[in-house]
Amino acid sequence: GAVVSQHPSRVICKSGTSVKIECRSLDFQATTMFWYRQFPKKSLMLMATSNEGSKATYEQGVEKDKFLINHASLTLSTLTVTSAHPEDSSFYICSARRGATGDQPQHFGDGTRLSIL
Amino acid sequence: GEDVEQSLFLSVREGDSSVINCTYTDSSSTYLYWYKQEPGAGLQLLTYIFSNMDMKQDQRLTVLLNKKDKHLSLRIADTQTGDSAIYFCALENSGNTPLVFGKGTRLSVIA
Repeated sequence: GAVVSQHPSRVICKSGTSVKIECRSLDFQATTMFWYRQFPKKSLMLMATSNEGSKATYEQGVEKDKFLINHASLTLSTLTVTSAHPEDSSFYICSARRGATGDQPQHFGDGTRLSIL
Repeated sequence: GEDVEQSLFLSVREGDSSVINCTYTDSSSTYLYWYKQEPGAGLQLLTYIFSNMDMKQDQRLTVLLNKKDKHLSLRIADTQTGDSAIYFCALENSGNTPLVFGKGTRLSVIA
């Protein structure tokens, strides 16, 4: 079945560091990927929609200069948290769907736990 | 926008059936999913149902959809300790749009 791979699974770094998270669709092409953020014991909040070959669409309240998204190929989207601060500590999860129609479910990566000291 | 509600906690004894409920507000929801999240892990797709279906069964899992009441449920038969996790219901209006999640139901299975 479809598999979405996300790396790294965990990052611990100092405040001010930029962190890049990769989301890959391993056995299918994904024109659209989604990035979510999950706070402890909370549900997932959509951050942005990543579109291959074009700019990402950000949800209201998400700083596009803070969370840089690049969808350079049909199998890879990256999320870069720039100049990370402790309040950026969270669980970040990406998802992708095989094909453009809804007869295939969205599959999620295993998530990246980001801890900023 | 879409509002998705789930009860936060459910506790069952091992071997019993678990029923996790989800209600939603947008009747145009086309695709309805159940995901499982274990501690520190990502989301695992359990099952999904299209809005033109009323019921879907997959081994121990049964999904029921009542479109009139905008109610979705997930029944886990013969619940095991390994089923302890958070279960999210998620809805989507059309293909390739982001999902709207409920807050998740934490299932605790007592041995």
